[in-house]
Amino acid sequence: AQKVTQAQTEISVVEKEDVTLDCVYETRDTTYYLFWYKQPPSGELVFLIRRNSFDEQNEISGRYSWNFQKSTSSFNFTITASQVVDSAVYFCALSEVLKAAGNKLTFGGGTRVLVKP
Amino acid sequence: GAVVSQHPSWVICKSGTSVKIECRSLDFQATTMFWYRQFPKQSLMLMATSNEGSKATYEQGVEKDKFLINHASLTLSTLTVTSAHPEDSSFYICSARVGPDGNTIYFGEGSWLTVV
Repeated sequence: AQKVTQAQTEISVVEKEDVTLDCVYETRDTTYYLFWYKQPPSGELVFLIRRNSFDEQNEISGRYSWNFQKSTSSFNFTITASQVVDSAVYFCALSEVLKAAGNKLTFGGGTRVLVKP
Repeated sequence: GAVVSQHPSWVICKSGTSVKIECRSLDFQATTMFWYRQFPKQSLMLMATSNEGSKATYEQGVEKDKFLINHASLTLSTLTVTSAHPEDSSFYICSARVGPDGNTIYFGEGSWLTVV
């Protein structure tokens, strides 16, 4: 069975500080996808990144960066120079490779990030 | 812009009535959509997988007769909460696979349901 653990339930930082969100996953599959989503107070889920299990290159997109380490089954997310607009709940999710039943996402519990001015 | 659209964004209904939530894929066909439920300050819980032209696949513990899912076309899946009760009040959100390999998953805007 798949499992995603986000150990940090809530993180509070002051604007311009960096914040790293941890994500640890468990799966028996050798091929899988990892995702990060942002959920602002309005509720919608905003897609941030998808990474497949064969691509361990770290990725940077603006102030966002992701560190995928297969050896430790972790896919951590860092927001650099945080801003108030970054305040949201962030979810890490895991999906098996496309199967007949369709991709089901297994979500972590989410980490609430509060960025104070 | 949004690739998956959900309607209504919020709805209030009386106990005992039924309410329908729509999930539409915009500009693409979605043979499979997913319905999730989220309680306040909790993670998303997969309720069911909606398959176009066939019966939905429900997760363990989800009442099929309570949460009716219909995926009659390649761009529309509906979730009907039947005989709603206050404990059904929740945030419901759908998703669909997008992209050439079908492994990018986008979500609708979500629907807040309040049963009074």
